[in-house]
Amino acid sequence: DTGVSQDPRHKITKRGQNVTFRCDPISEHNRLYWYRQTLGQGPEFLTYFQNEAQLEKSRLLSDRFSAERPKGSFSTLEIQRTEQGDSAMYLCASSFGGRYGYTFGSGTRLTVV
Amino acid sequence: AQRVTQPEKLLSVFKGAPVELKCNYSYSGSPELFWYVQYSRQRLQLLLRHISRESIKGFTADLNKGETSFHLKKPFAQEEDSAMYYCALNGYTGNQFYFGTGTSLTVIP
Repeated sequence: DTGVSQDPRHKITKRGQNVTFRCDPISEHNRLYWYRQTLGQGPEFLTYFQNEAQLEKSRLLSDRFSAERPKGSFSTLEIQRTEQGDSAMYLCASSFGGRYGYTFGSGTRLTVV
Repeated sequence: AQRVTQPEKLLSVFKGAPVELKCNYSYSGSPELFWYVQYSRQRLQLLLRHISRESIKGFTADLNKGETSFHLKKPFAQEEDSAMYYCALNGYTGNQFYFGTGTSLTVIP
């Protein structure tokens, strides 16, 4: 296991299109998180899964955003009808418990044109 | 409110000089605080966590509840310490971190 993997690394899409990102966490980790990071800002929480259950969502996560973690393994984050304001780095992280910190993936950089 | 403030966006020090990256937090109760580091073209990595009271790569951070601070310190900066540093707070639910805006540290040779 080489850590948290995210795919794709970069995505350029036209406004209004749908995009989907994938995250493969560390296999022993039961917790999975999605964060978003824009230029000059720290990562902002989007959503959290424990196993397959989505237990917490940020108000940042509008109705156009949906995340899944079927079978408690990999996760997908879909953005429908993308807007230019969605351009950001989308980070996935995983952990076993939350008190000891996360392991982050390299992120997917989304550019909406 | 749960919040982390890193007042310095940029910090430059000379090699061998002491370095302190500031982090202040807003939290009711006993906070769980972390420092993350991001080297150029690399992913965010956990540097240290206050519950472990550890020292990683010569860095330490002490929780000061009176001043609501968790400053990161190193007595002698090295060029390889040049990176972006983020302070993070585990929120009340234990399920999300609140990150500061980060401090970019440059160590001048």
